[in-house]
Amino acid sequence: DIQMTQSPSSLSASVGDRVTITCRASQDIRNYLAWFQQKPGKAPKSLIYAASSLQSGVPSKFSGSGSGTDFTLTISSLQPEDFATYYCQQYNSYPRTFGQGTKVEIK
Amino acid sequence: EVQLVQSGAEVKKPGESLKISCKGSGYSFSNYWIGWVRQMPGKGLEWMGIIYPGDSDTRYSPSFQGQVTISADKSISTAYLQWSSLKASDTAMYYCARQPSYGGNVDYWGQGTLVTVSS
Repeated sequence: DIQMTQSPSSLSASVGDRVTITCRASQDIRNYLAWFQQKPGKAPKSLIYAASSLQSGVPSKFSGSGSGTDFTLTISSLQPEDFATYYCQQYNSYPRTFGQGTKVEIK
Repeated sequence: EVQLVQSGAEVKKPGESLKISCKGSGYSFSNYWIGWVRQMPGKGLEWMGIIYPGDSDTRYSPSFQGQVTISADKSISTAYLQWSSLKASDTAMYYCARQPSYGGNVDYWGQGTLVTVSS
């Protein structure tokens, strides 16, 4: 199975901050990488696919980059509604695997 | 509007059986894969398996193979996740999610079904 490792596991940030989350795959996954946002008590929401393509309706403050084994999710200007846990997932091969999550908290 | 609506919360005893559901609407249910994801209390997301309702082609994560059964009834646009003998460790939130192709990514998620297994 492909291991996905996110860093950091949690971070504290202020409204307006630029935030970057990293996801590393244990082997080359080309650009088959998705990002999801999960708020407490809610289902995950799809944000990004193919490493850098925004899902329909997702605001442009979210951006993704990377290919191969190293990927990033950036939130350009953190807003109160962005405080959540973010997960990466590889879909290069089965079984699909997720990162352990990064919790973005209010400073 | 694409929607995946899951069945309600369940409370079961160890050893009991259970089948939870995920009903799709707003798209051609038969032509999209449906996956299942587990989230244990306070933990991350785990991919369990996937089914293509059009022909019931099913794949499982090795971690869940033999522990659960995934099925679908395309006539009523519904996918299922079932257990024959629940354990306390099956206590979790379970999500279904739509995937446009076998090699593709998830785009829509169900709202989740909380399964609690306790004596």
